Amino acid sequence: DTGVSQDPRHKITKRGQNVTFRCDPISEHNRLYWYRQTLGQGPEFLTYFQNEAQLEKSRLLSDRFSAERPKGSFSTLEIQRTEQGDSAMYLCASSLGQIMNTEAFFGQGTRLTVV
Amino acid sequence: AQKVTQAQTEISVVEKEDVTLDCVYETRDTTYYLFWYKQPPSGELVFLIRRNSFDEQNEISGRYSWNFQKSTSSFNFTITASQVVDSAVYVCALITNRDDKIIFGKGTRLHILP
Repeated sequence: DTGVSQDPRHKITKRGQNVTFRCDPISEHNRLYWYRQTLGQGPEFLTYFQNEAQLEKSRLLSDRFSAERPKGSFSTLEIQRTEQGDSAMYLCASSLGQIMNTEAFFGQGTRLTVV
Repeated sequence: AQKVTQAQTEISVVEKEDVTLDCVYETRDTTYYLFWYKQPPSGELVFLIRRNSFDEQNEISGRYSWNFQKSTSSFNFTITASQVVDSAVYVCALITNRDDKIIFGKGTRLHILP
C-alpha cells in the first residue's frame, strides 16, 4: 500500500470554472477526511466520511463545494464556480476508525490556484 | 471552544542549536489527544507524535522531545542539535472525544541555517 494518494497534485484554473479533486485512501480505511489549508494557516476541517456516508460538513463548505465517496473507497471534492479565495492546498486523510483511537494518514495534497 | 495556538510564526536557528516550538491548546473536554506533524515543502503532513490527555510523561525520540503540561495547556516540541533537514513547517493539533475532527494550529516555519 502506497499511502493516501491525491490527484492532481497541482491545478490552475480560471475563476468561474469547476474543478474536481480525487483522493484514494489507504485500503480498508473506513474514514476519509478533507481539509483545506491556505497560505500561512493550519489545515481547516471541511468534511468527513465513514464508508460512503458523509457524517459532517463544516460551515466552510459553501454550496459551491460538494464531496462524495460513492463506494466507500475513493472520494471526490468538487468546487463549482471557483473564486480566487478558493486558492489553497486541499488535503485528504484516511484512518481505520476514529482518529481518537488510531492514526490519520495524510496525502500530499492538491494545490489549487484560481486565477 | 477548541483552539490550538502556535505563537511563533517563523524561527531561524543555526545548525546544531537546540530549538523549542511552542504549542498552547484550549479545550473543555477532559479526554483529548495532542499531535505534532511535520509539513515539508511537498505539503503532506508527516505524523510525529500523539499524546493523550491522561499521560503527562515527557517523551523523547532521538533528537526530538515533547513536554506536555496540562497546568499550562502546553505541548511544546524541542529539537536537539538541529539539522538542515529539520527545516519545515511544524503543526500542532488537538482532537477531543467530542467529535472526530483534528483542530490544527497555524504552524511554525522552522529554518535551520547551515
